[in-house]
Amino acid sequence: DSGVTQTPKHLITATGQRVTLRCSPRSGDLSVYWYQQSLDQGLQFLIQYYNGEERAKGNILERFSAQQFPDLHSELNLSSLELGDSALYFCASSVEGGRSPLHFGNGTRLTVT
Amino acid sequence: AQKITQTQPGMFVQEKEAVTLDCTYDTSDPSYGLFWYKQPSSGEMIFLIYQGSYDQQNATEGRYSLNFQKARKSANLVISASQLGDSAMYFCATSYNQGGKLIFGQGTELSVKP
Repeated sequence: DSGVTQTPKHLITATGQRVTLRCSPRSGDLSVYWYQQSLDQGLQFLIQYYNGEERAKGNILERFSAQQFPDLHSELNLSSLELGDSALYFCASSVEGGRSPLHFGNGTRLTVT
Repeated sequence: AQKITQTQPGMFVQEKEAVTLDCTYDTSDPSYGLFWYKQPSSGEMIFLIYQGSYDQQNATEGRYSLNFQKARKSANLVISASQLGDSAMYFCATSYNQGGKLIFGQGTELSVKP
């Protein structure tokens, strides 16, 4: 058990809808990362937060947004969903950057129909 | 920009034998980290081993060791005494500057045969 909690485990929704994925980091970890894993794109970094502030941005679409709350949990909001957004979305956390490994949650599998 | 290349999409190994999974990286940063993760069919990402660019010794964690060759920019994962439970996808990753985010390779699918 990595200590990172993601909910829900599975999500099935229709095109055009909006969903929210939730992540609770490991106790003591200040950084939260969101990744998208799809068959064609592999593991893509979306966004990183550190202690409530956005730290780095990757290949995140404008339809997607995220935030990290004062209690350090994070939410990833996906809107105007398209079929191509179907993927496994991972949240990860770490103590600090560079030498610290990322500890991943079990992921949320999103299916857009 | 950082880049990770894993040239073996799939590999087979006999149970109890050792196997090497290849990883090469490209970075202009003098300080970086290299990581290996395992993803079983159940989907979770499991951290296996870490090597820092300034570490003199190759990292080891149980049956996992990292063959770090800085001049060749390679960070191969060696799994000794393979077990059936080692069958999974394996991802090599590098840290980006000091910010913490990781850039992943495309992965290698390892199948251990009984």
